[in-house]
Amino acid sequence: NAGVMQNPRHLVRRRGQEARLRCSPMKGHSHVYWYRQLPEEGLKFMVYLQKENIIDESGMPKERFSAEFPKEGPSILRIQQVVRGDSAAYFCASSSGQGRDEQYFGPGTRLTVT
Amino acid sequence: GNSVTQMEGPVTLSEEAFLTINCTYTATGYPSLFWYVQYPGEGLQLLLKATKADDKGSNKGFEATYRKETTSFHLEKGSVQVSDSAVYFCALRKSGGTSYGKLTFGQGTILTVHP
Repeated sequence: NAGVMQNPRHLVRRRGQEARLRCSPMKGHSHVYWYRQLPEEGLKFMVYLQKENIIDESGMPKERFSAEFPKEGPSILRIQQVVRGDSAAYFCASSSGQGRDEQYFGPGTRLTVT
Repeated sequence: GNSVTQMEGPVTLSEEAFLTINCTYTATGYPSLFWYVQYPGEGLQLLLKATKADDKGSNKGFEATYRKETTSFHLEKGSVQVSDSAVYFCALRKSGGTSYGKLTFGQGTILTVHP
């Protein structure tokens, strides 16, 4: 049973470019959480999605960031016009339900903005 | 709001030494508490958890007890191994309402164990 898959594992973008990060949840999981880990910091919640719905985006920056989880295919975290401060590790986690269900984490995507 | 504070790292120990990593939290109500471990280049793995006061979570020789009176969930291991070298994260989760199960993490503690 494959775990949570994220790709790419490493992504380098120049300032002003777009970054697309993909997350394929574990089989049978329809809930996805995205977290960001800035250097020397813990993980911070960004957004929680269920299939085709954004449930909680209270941790997302108001501009340039968006997320989706379509009916078919992976969840996508999109960062437009990246800046150096976006350099971080982005982790997604999936679960079979919200609340008490365990979240399983992917290996992360390390974004570097040059 | 909810927050988690971990002891400053990094922590460096010799093999077979005793490990304590302190974790305290701020939250209303009765959150669930977790310790996650992150090995180099990998995602976070759940190490142990406790869902109510006085519960003790344990796994792989690690233990942590949910202490509501001191709002703490300190991680302990009696005899560490080189393979325990990793980053350890304390986290809490509120259930119900608009929390939606999202996790609030501490800043992480780097543990290095030398032979």
